[in-house]
Amino acid sequence: GQNIDQPTEMTATEGAIVQINCTYQTSGFNGLFWYQQHAGEAPTFLSYNVLDGLEEKGRFSSFLSRSKGYSYLLLKELQMKDSASYLCAVRAKDGGATNKLIFGTGTLLAVQP
Amino acid sequence: GAVVSQHPSWVICKSGTSVKIECRSLDFQATTMFWYRQFPKQSLMLMATSNEGSKATYEQGVEKDKFLINHASLTLSTLTVTSAHPEDSSFYICSARDPENSNQPQHFGDGTRLSIL
Repeated sequence: GQNIDQPTEMTATEGAIVQINCTYQTSGFNGLFWYQQHAGEAPTFLSYNVLDGLEEKGRFSSFLSRSKGYSYLLLKELQMKDSASYLCAVRAKDGGATNKLIFGTGTLLAVQP
Repeated sequence: GAVVSQHPSWVICKSGTSVKIECRSLDFQATTMFWYRQFPKQSLMLMATSNEGSKATYEQGVEKDKFLINHASLTLSTLTVTSAHPEDSSFYICSARDPENSNQPQHFGDGTRLSIL
């Protein structure tokens, strides 16, 4: 089966750094994605990891350890507009050719002044 | 600009009505599209995988006769919620990925907020 876990909520201060963790247990792992979703809107792509290590993109970085089934999203220099839900999603093959994207429960981040 | 277009954005209708939602890929041909449902303060739940020219693959617990999926062309998939009831009220989102760029992320439509009275 597929299982993806994230903390439900986090709070951080404007200008600070926050790390959002994601652990997963899936079969046919084929990449891990992080998405940002503001309330009432569709998710927007943040980062993608398929190999172990750190991927940096501006204020956002994402890390993956496939052996540990673990990833984190690091947000630096937090801004108020970063208040949103952050979704960890694993792309997994379902035994056929289709790669499904399975989402975690999402982490609601509140950035405070 | 948007690469996946979803229509309509909002639907409010009476119980028993059937509602059709369209998902179009604008810049590429999508042999596979995905349909998700999201309840308030919850994550996206994959409902089904829409396959062009063949039957959709439904996730466990999703009624295929309730949620009809048609993927008649390489750029269009439709989800029809048949005889909708208040418990079907939710945020429905489609996504698609350019098969020519396998490492690219799925692109999401803007979603459809369905409210059944």
